[in-house]
Amino acid sequence: NAGVTQTPKFQVLKTGQSMTLQCAQDMNHNSMYWYRQDPGMGLRLIYYSASEGTTDKGEVPNGYNVSRLNKREFSLRLESAAPSQTSVYFCASSEVDTIYFGEGSWLTVV
Amino acid sequence: GENVEQHPSTLSVQEGDSAVIKCTYSDSASNYFPWYKQELGKGPQLIIDIRSNVGEKKDQRIAVTLNKTAKHFSLHITETQPEDSAVYFCAASIWSNYQLIWGAGTKLIIKP
Repeated sequence: NAGVTQTPKFQVLKTGQSMTLQCAQDMNHNSMYWYRQDPGMGLRLIYYSASEGTTDKGEVPNGYNVSRLNKREFSLRLESAAPSQTSVYFCASSEVDTIYFGEGSWLTVV
Repeated sequence: GENVEQHPSTLSVQEGDSAVIKCTYSDSASNYFPWYKQELGKGPQLIIDIRSNVGEKKDQRIAVTLNKTAKHFSLHITETQPEDSAVYFCAASIWSNYQLIWGAGTKLIIKP
């Protein structure tokens, strides 16, 4: 019963490096999301995908790109990492009301 | 746009006592208000939600109340237990999960 699986769990990047966070869900949900969580700021939506083949910007999309590879997978790419992107990233999926979150990816940009 | 404020940021209660966390929202069009619980090292998990056509909803020891006039909603946990220790987030939206705006979170500490 995996739910939402995201990798890697921890990553340290140097400023300017690129990386991709991978996410997969096994609940056959249409909608998928990428959030970032920073202390004292709650969860902020980076990008979402309402259904396979569509992606839309959320509240804080600058510096990120996404790909909805298929119904199961939704990846988040940082093309040129900046220290301001140090955060915990959560992938999530939903069908109706309930959002199911992955366990998070801790990213540090030095 | 919508703004959600959550208070307090930290709440410490004795085991067995009740805990109340409050959120206010700014957009009167918001009509969906979920509460999520986040345990250490894990992603948030939905514990209860309420829609604007309902004033109160209960699920065992957890209840949520909504005051549309004042634009605030609250989470009530009765008979608190150690496993209730976590960070709780409120959120508000206009029916769509894509538009959820989140509060900053409340760290609930249950003292034995």
